[in-house]
Amino acid sequence: AQSVTQLGSHVSVSEGALVLLRCNYSSSVPPYLFWYVQYPNQGLQLLLKYTTGATLVKGINGFEAEFKKSETSFHLTKPSAHMSDAAEYFCAVTGSNNNDMRFGAGTRLTVKP
Amino acid sequence: NAGVTQTPKFRVLKTGQSMTLLCAQDMNHEYMYWYRQDPGMGLRLIHYSVGEGTTAKGEVPDGYNVSRLKKQNFLLGLESAAPSQTSVYFCASARDRGPRPQHFGDGTRLSIL
Repeated sequence: AQSVTQLGSHVSVSEGALVLLRCNYSSSVPPYLFWYVQYPNQGLQLLLKYTTGATLVKGINGFEAEFKKSETSFHLTKPSAHMSDAAEYFCAVTGSNNNDMRFGAGTRLTVKP
Repeated sequence: NAGVTQTPKFRVLKTGQSMTLLCAQDMNHEYMYWYRQDPGMGLRLIHYSVGEGTTAKGEVPDGYNVSRLKKQNFLLGLESAAPSQTSVYFCASARDRGPRPQHFGDGTRLSIL
């Protein structure tokens, strides 16, 4: 079974500052990891995914995440926050089967001018 | 191309009433999912379907029923609504069992008084 822990339910950064959203996972099988973003009154949109191969994954809107097996982590970063990045972010993990996908509780990102 | 469409977007029910939430996808996806989203708990899987005519239980299936009579539609039913079912409900679809990103609808906000 898989599970995800997102550290920090709320993160606040200034515009132009580094964004770091933390995700740690637990999985009994090789994990496949995803970051989704949710804007108000919308569904989840895929930011990036790690399946196999390169451990540093680049996504949309300048976000990237690094899979670190030794730390069981998949933290999301962006070098410079933009006001439009304000949203809720969800980390998710699954094994080889989408039916076992587990989502974290979410981290709400606020960007201050 | 609409993607995943959920109907209705908002609904208020009284305890004991029944209703059906409709999810439609136009991507010819085999797999479809119903989740509920509650504050601080992320998304939890209610039921899912691996193809037309099939359904299976997810993490929190009690109090819900589903049907997938057509490949493009996945219905979620509440036979006797309870206040604990107040939530935001999301439908998602995926091309196959994965591991693949899921495509989400914009959600249905359901309040049960």
